[in-house]
Amino acid sequence: EVQLLESGGDLVQPGGSLRLSCAASGFTFSTYDMSWVRQAPGKGLEWVSAISGSGGSAYYGDSVKGRFTISRDNSKNTLYLQMSDLRAEDTAVYYCAKDWAAGTYFDYWGQGTLVTVSS
Amino acid sequence: QLAVTQSPSASASLGASVKLTCTLSSGHSRYAIAWHQQQPEKGPRFLMKVNSDGSHIKGDGIPARFSGSSSGAERYLIISSLQSEDEAAYYCQTWGTAFQGVFGGGTKLTVL
Repeated sequence: EVQLLESGGDLVQPGGSLRLSCAASGFTFSTYDMSWVRQAPGKGLEWVSAISGSGGSAYYGDSVKGRFTISRDNSKNTLYLQMSDLRAEDTAVYYCAKDWAAGTYFDYWGQGTLVTVSS
Repeated sequence: QLAVTQSPSASASLGASVKLTCTLSSGHSRYAIAWHQQQPEKGPRFLMKVNSDGSHIKGDGIPARFSGSSSGAERYLIISSLQSEDEAAYYCQTWGTAFQGVFGGGTKLTVL
């Protein structure tokens, strides 16, 4: 059974940093691209970032480019999102998702972790 | 620019059927899409991928009363024999060549 478990969400001040983690199990982690998708309170889903199975390629949405860094540790089956220079508009539930194939749709999702950016 | 559009809301009666629509932007009518369900206070769940020819591939454990179809630039999610737990937000998602997921705004389905 595929499981994705996010952690690391917290209340952080504007301009601060935070690292999210996503522990994966039930599939060969290193074989699949992975993504982060977020959902602001009461809003829809927004793709944030993706990373190839090897970790050699990373992609970012325009709203986070230059501030967020996606990475993975295939030896630990864990996906990360390092967030810096956080803004109020980054407040959201962050979901990790498994890509069915590189750059396609998401076939498994985690339960999410809440990031709140506020002073 | 690649985009998908959904109606914000829909409603149908318990036990009835409902058809939700996702419309691809001009010039992208042959793209496949994916449907995701998000029940209140839960993470999204992949339902199915719908191709331009109407064929669809469902996710693990998705009941047979969920199906998909296509017509031109429109992709549909059909839910039959509606149950109370089907009350949820439904998002369509597509993808291009730039490794960016593209989501519609979601349709909130109310089961009457």
